[in-house]
Amino acid sequence: AQKVTQAQTEISVVEKEDVTLDCVYETRDTTYYLFWYKQPPSGELVFLIRRNSFDEQNEISGRYSWNFQKSTSSFNFTITASQVVDSAVYFCALSERRTSGSRLTFGEGTQLTVNP
Amino acid sequence: DVKVTQSSRYLVKRTGEKVFLECVQDMDHENMFWYRQDPGLGLRLIYFSYDVKMKEKGDIPEGYSVSREKKERFSLILESASTNQTSMYLCASSLERATAFFGQGTRLTVV
Repeated sequence: AQKVTQAQTEISVVEKEDVTLDCVYETRDTTYYLFWYKQPPSGELVFLIRRNSFDEQNEISGRYSWNFQKSTSSFNFTITASQVVDSAVYFCALSERRTSGSRLTFGEGTQLTVNP
Repeated sequence: DVKVTQSSRYLVKRTGEKVFLECVQDMDHENMFWYRQDPGLGLRLIYFSYDVKMKEKGDIPEGYSVSREKKERFSLILESASTNQTSMYLCASSLERATAFFGQGTRLTVV
């Protein structure tokens, strides 16, 4: 069975600090996809990144970066020089192929608060 | 732009009522999902569908059923609403193993 764990329930930082959100997953598949989503106070989930299991290259997009390590089953997300607008709930998710369809499983989410 | 539309943003229903939550997507996606979101529990999968009339149970299907008669529409049904089903309900759609796109959510209150 697939599982995603985000051990950090809440994180609070001061603006301009760097912050890393942890994500650990479990799967029996050799081919799977990992995602990060952001949920701002408005409520709608916003897609941030998708990574497949064969691509362990780290990715950087502006102030955001992702570190995928298959050996530790982790897909961590770092925000550099955080801003107040980064305050949101962040979800990590795993898509695993089943005999019928692809199931998408989410972690519990991490509430990030960036204080001015 | 991908659009996933949930029929209501806010809904208040009485205990014992049959409740229908509707979700429509306009991108011809095979997969559609229903989640509920509760504080501290993240998004929990209720049901998903990978094709018309095909469905699979998620982690918390008890008390719910679904219907997918057309590819673009996926309905979540609460057969007899109870107060513990008060929650935020989120619908999503995706192509096979691709990025899922979410609707705006329906906040359901059962009184």
